[in-house]
Amino acid sequence: QQQVKQSPQSLIVQKGGISIINCAYENTAFDYFPWYQQFPGKGPALLIAIRPDVSEKKEGRFTISFNKSAKQFSLHIMDSQPGDSATYFCAASIRGATNKLIFGTGTLLAVQP
Amino acid sequence: DAMVIQNPRYQVTQFGKPVTLSCSQTLNHNVMYWYQQKSSQAPKLLFHYYDKDFNNEADTPDNFQSRRPNTSFCFLDIRSPGLGDAAMYLCATSRVFPGGNQPQHFGDGTRLSIL
Repeated sequence: QQQVKQSPQSLIVQKGGISIINCAYENTAFDYFPWYQQFPGKGPALLIAIRPDVSEKKEGRFTISFNKSAKQFSLHIMDSQPGDSATYFCAASIRGATNKLIFGTGTLLAVQP
Repeated sequence: DAMVIQNPRYQVTQFGKPVTLSCSQTLNHNVMYWYQQKSSQAPKLLFHYYDKDFNNEADTPDNFQSRRPNTSFCFLDIRSPGLGDAAMYLCATSRVFPGGNQPQHFGDGTRLSIL
């Protein structure tokens, strides 16, 4: 029940295409859903985050879609660029638990020029 | 810029020789975390400090210890490193607010190699 399931494990997209990564969870106590981007040799960096009271959040080319009833959320990267090639982790945080994160398993994105 | 700084970036130690990794932050966050990340895997939480309160994850080996002497610094001690402890070690910080969960901010990690 504490798991966050992420798919796909890897993704290849052409430059200019849309990258879509999906996550699902079971625990209804989760109330904060961040996405992290990690480049090789670097720590994860917060990309965008959403709370369950909204269904969509957009920041530049990055959009989170959130479906509370289905307990699913996804990251959409519009106009994908080679510089977006990285590993993406979804995560969920439990209400009142010192911001402790439950990570998905990660998606390795490769954007081909 | 406010940030999370980990030193050293690369650490090589011998099998069984104690090693200490350090983390400092200028964000003045009240929570600091230590993660272990192995290749192609998600970060795995080892423990965290909420102010001075230490919180160990149930599956963190006793070989791993931590110290937080003040708000800005936190240390990870590996008492007797084994080959399986070779990994990237990530430090992160966060601020706990009554109004809702906040993001964690990560350092760039220390890559630990065991000879």
